[in-house]
This record gives sequence, structure tokens and C-alpha cells, in this order.
Amino acid sequence: GESVGLHLPTLSVQEGDNSIINCAYSNSASDYFIWYKQESGKGPQFIIDIRSNMDKRQGQRVTVLLNKTVKHLSLQIAATQPGDSAVYFCAENYGTGRRALTFGSGTRLQVQP
Amino acid sequence: DAGVIQSPRHEVTEMGQEVTLRCKPISGHDYLFWYRQTMMRGLELLIYFNNNVPIDDSGMPEDRFSAKMPNASFSTLKIQPSEPRDSAVYFCASSKTSGGVDTQYFGPGTRLTVL
Repeated sequence: GESVGLHLPTLSVQEGDNSIINCAYSNSASDYFIWYKQESGKGPQFIIDIRSNMDKRQGQRVTVLLNKTVKHLSLQIAATQPGDSAVYFCAENYGTGRRALTFGSGTRLQVQP
Repeated sequence: DAGVIQSPRHEVTEMGQEVTLRCKPISGHDYLFWYRQTMMRGLELLIYFNNNVPIDDSGMPEDRFSAKMPNASFSTLKIQPSEPRDSAVYFCASSKTSGGVDTQYFGPGTRLTVL
């Protein structure tokens, strides 16, 4: 299961540095956002989510920031490790009662040892 | 706990053949989603079910695609006849209602190649 390939924006960081991955979402009515991580040959894996009534949420080594004014979402990974190398997708949900997610195009994170 | 199970993991077929992809959602989940991932279009929702009933199939590309969910533990996505442009990775995901928008858990995907 290769993820979206050659034309992805790529972020390259050194092991131990902090990473920031950005996402611009499309719909001002979106009320729920998720970050997924996809490693080569695997399906997307849930990392962290945030609802539109929040502007920050923290998990283990990860923080998601939401700026509704400019429709911007970011994922911060602290002390990036080689195992963090993957493609990261943001996804949004909008529409009353609609359960489906709309995914962004993804960012490839490469961690240099 | 077993995650979402998909089969086959890889499928190579010739144009015009029928292809059937299979999915077993996580036990107890009441939503099931089919996505397609390509280099050009990224991850796209094809169709999703709630309690085995199709809710939104607006993402299904054309009549060659059909999906069924005969029971809570099994779903199929069928392409008949297949075309080279159907080559992609197809993911199944499931989620459980918890009062809001729920986390979707993805299977490992089926890589489909149509020659």
C-alpha cells in the first residue's frame, strides 16, 4: 500500500529535532480534524484529533494546533525519531451527520539519523 | 484485537476482468468506509455504510463499481469490468459511533493492478 508518492511536499529533519507539519483545510464549516500517519505498505494510522471548539490538543510527543481564522491545522512532533518517517495526512469532517472524512494531499516526513 | 482485515493484499488482473475486494471491519463497529488512494488524487472516499446500509455512494466513480455489506462483519467492493485506470490501493476503514465523528481505523489495503 504505497501512499501518494513522488509529488508530495517533503519535510526533512534531524533525529531529535522538533517537526511541524502544516495543513490548510478547505471548508470553514468543518468541525472535526484528524491527523493520520501512513508508513510504506500500510494503511493510515490515527495519531490525534481535535474538534473545532478547541485550538490546541496534546498527545504523547504530538500536539495539534487549529487556527480557524485562517483555516490552518498543524501537527507538531517533539523529539522526532526515525520511526516517525512516514506520510502525514490531515483530514476534516463537515456536514451535519456526515461521517466521512476529506483527506489532504499529505506531507512526507523524512528523519535523518 | 484484530484490526480491519482486507483481502487480497495484492491483485493483478487484466482489463475487462471482474475484481472483488473484501473487508472485515473491527468487531462492534457500525460504520464501514471504502477509500481509494492514487498518486494523482490521493485518498478518496468511495462509499460508506452504517449498520450495513449504504449512506453515501457519491464517490463511486461509475457504474462499474459496486459495494455491498451483507452483514456487520463483511463487505465487498466489486469492479466489473476493470480498467487500467482503476489501478490503485483500496482501503477499508471502520468506526464505532460514540456521539460525534468517530475515529476511523484503516485496514492494510489492497493494491490493485489492472493490466
